[in-house]
Amino acid sequence: QSVLTQPPSVSGAPGQRVTISCTGSSSNIGAGFDVHWYHQLPGTGPKLLIYGNGSRPSGVPDRFSGSKSGTSASLAITGLQAEDEADYYCQSYDSSLSAYVVFGGGTKLTVL
Amino acid sequence: EVQLVESGGGLVRPGGSLRLSCAASGFSFSIYSMNWVRQAPGKGLEWVSYISSGSSTIYYADSVKGRFTISRDNAKNSLYLQMNSLRAEDTAVYYCARVTSIAAARDIWGQGTMVTVSS
Repeated sequence: QSVLTQPPSVSGAPGQRVTISCTGSSSNIGAGFDVHWYHQLPGTGPKLLIYGNGSRPSGVPDRFSGSKSGTSASLAITGLQAEDEADYYCQSYDSSLSAYVVFGGGTKLTVL
Repeated sequence: EVQLVESGGGLVRPGGSLRLSCAASGFSFSIYSMNWVRQAPGKGLEWVSYISSGSSTIYYADSVKGRFTISRDNAKNSLYLQMNSLRAEDTAVYYCARVTSIAAARDIWGQGTMVTVSS
């Protein structure tokens, strides 16, 4: 069981908008700790997509956006493209567990 | 080019040991904290360990505490993970990742090295 909860899968047609939720608790997201998002293509290492809740690293298209409210965060992808098909993970910091760094269980995005 | 390259993975028997390495290039390794994160086959990401830039602060996940040791050599731009008393559940791809602080984003990741614990 992951400390952060994500839907196992989401899907959308090319051009559509999809969102991926990341639900935490009062000891992580709700405590004010930042949420970061990564994506991972099959057989490759994760890559940073969104940091600090809603900031994009250089090179990440503005089709990707992040937000945080209360004990949850969301990743939105607009103008869905075939190459967006990947696994997406949220990550935060937890003040109550010795695990310190916590990840969501991951969401598989399928582009129909 | 900013790059992290892991090595040292392989097949090891339960109870055995393995030492992973991560070679950094293209950035000032000595000013960054580093992490190890692992991913079991078909599973999600699991944080393993963190070490600050000067090695003064080290954290471990409960699942590896007492068995794994993280270290670094800033003169060699290298990060290490000594894994002892390995168990089947340690089987995973191990990634090293760069970070500025324990709660910050892991902004650069390596390609990973596979560790298989099996008899």
